[in-house]
Amino acid sequence: DVRLTQSPSSLSASAGDRVTITCRASQTVGTYLNWYQQKPGKAPKLLIHSASTLQIGVPSRFSGSGSGTDFTLTISGLQPEDFATFFCQQSYTSPYTFGLGTRLEIK
Amino acid sequence: EVQLVESGGGLVQPGGSLRLSCAASGFNLRDYWMHWVRQVPGKGLIWVSRVNTDESFTTYADSVKGRFTISRDNAKNTVYMQMNSLTSEDAAVYYCVREQWTRQFDVWGHGTLVTVSS
Repeated sequence: DVRLTQSPSSLSASAGDRVTITCRASQTVGTYLNWYQQKPGKAPKLLIHSASTLQIGVPSRFSGSGSGTDFTLTISGLQPEDFATFFCQQSYTSPYTFGLGTRLEIK
Repeated sequence: EVQLVESGGGLVQPGGSLRLSCAASGFNLRDYWMHWVRQVPGKGLIWVSRVNTDESFTTYADSVKGRFTISRDNAKNTVYMQMNSLTSEDAAVYYCVREQWTRQFDVWGHGTLVTVSS
């Protein structure tokens, strides 16, 4: 199975900050890399698919980049509603595995 | 509104069975591959199973293979997960998820909680 390593596992930031979360795959996944946001008690929400394509309705402060094994999710200008846990997922090969998550907390 | 609504979770004894259902609305279920993903509260997301559009192809995580069966009834716009021989390690929130043709999970249900305890 493809292993996805997210870093950091948690971080603290302030509203207005720019933050970057990385996801490294144990083998190439091309650009089949997706990012999800999950708030407590809620289902995950798709933010970015295909490494860099913004899901419809997601604010443009979210962006994704990368290909192969190294990917990043960047949030530019954090808003109060952005504090949550973020997961990467590869859909290059079955099973579609997820990273362990990055918890973004308010500083 | 595009929506997935899971049901069927609950408390079951070790070794018992449950059948989860996922009712789709707002879109044509027969056009999409569907998945189940589970999550222990506070932990990560674990993919469980998938089914293609006509149920001719299914795959399972090794941890549930031989015990869980995914199925669908496109006429009823519903996906199912039959779970047998449940253990404490199967306790989790189970999400029903739609896969887009570009392979992302774009619609998630609210989840249904499965508790395995004597």
